[in-house]
Amino acid sequence: NAGVTQTPKFQVLKTGQSMTLQCAQDMNHNSMYWYRQDPGMGLRLIYYSASEGTTDKGEVPNGYNVSRLNKREFSLRLESAAPSQTSVYFCASGGQGAIGEAFFGQGTRLTVV
Amino acid sequence: GENVEQHPSTLSVQEGDSAVIKCTYSDSASNYFPWYKQELGKRPQLIIDIRSNVGEKKDQRIAVTLNKTAKHFSLHITETQPEDSAVYFCAARTGGGNKLTFGTGTQLKVEL
Repeated sequence: NAGVTQTPKFQVLKTGQSMTLQCAQDMNHNSMYWYRQDPGMGLRLIYYSASEGTTDKGEVPNGYNVSRLNKREFSLRLESAAPSQTSVYFCASGGQGAIGEAFFGQGTRLTVV
Repeated sequence: GENVEQHPSTLSVQEGDSAVIKCTYSDSASNYFPWYKQELGKRPQLIIDIRSNVGEKKDQRIAVTLNKTAKHFSLHITETQPEDSAVYFCAARTGGGNKLTFGTGTQLKVEL
C-alpha cells in the first residue's frame, strides 16, 4: 500500500519555466489537497478537491492551477515559475468532514532561480 | 474562510516536563481538529485528532482538549522525551467544504 505518492522529490526551475507536480493516492479518498511549506509560515493551503470533479481555492492560489484528473490523481501546475514559489510542496489526501485523517506525500522541494 | 492561530511558535522544555500548545479557530462550521508531528525533513504525520462532539481525548502521553464555545483546542504532552522534539501543527476542517486549514506550527525542543 503506497499511500500518497508525489513526484518529483526535487526540482530546480528557472524563472518563467513551467512544471506540473504529480500526486496519486491509492486509498480511495475523496478529498485531496496541495500545500506549500515555508519557514515560519506553516502549511498553507493552495488548492483542494473535496471530490472527483471539484476543486476550490485555498489561502494562496495565485500562480497555480490544479487538475483532479480522476479520483486517484490531483496535479499542481506552475505556469510561469517565480522565485517566490520556491518552497516545499506537500500533497495530502483523506478525510471527510469529521471523519478520517489526511495522509501526506513525501513532499517536493522546488527551487526557482 | 477558516483561520487557525497557533501559539507558541517555539517551546523549550526539560525532559520529563509537560508541554502545552494552543490553537484557536474562526469558523464555527469546523468539526474536526487533528494534530500533526513533523520531524526534520519528513512529512507531517497525525498523532491525535478530536471531533467537535468530544471535549477531550487521550492517547498515552498525549491529550487534546476542545472548547467549542471559545473556539480553541490544545495539545498536551506529558513526561516529554527527546524524541518528542519536532514541529507540531494543529489544523481544523470544515464540515461542508472539507477544507483543512493548518496553524503556523510550534517547534518543540526537549532538552536533557
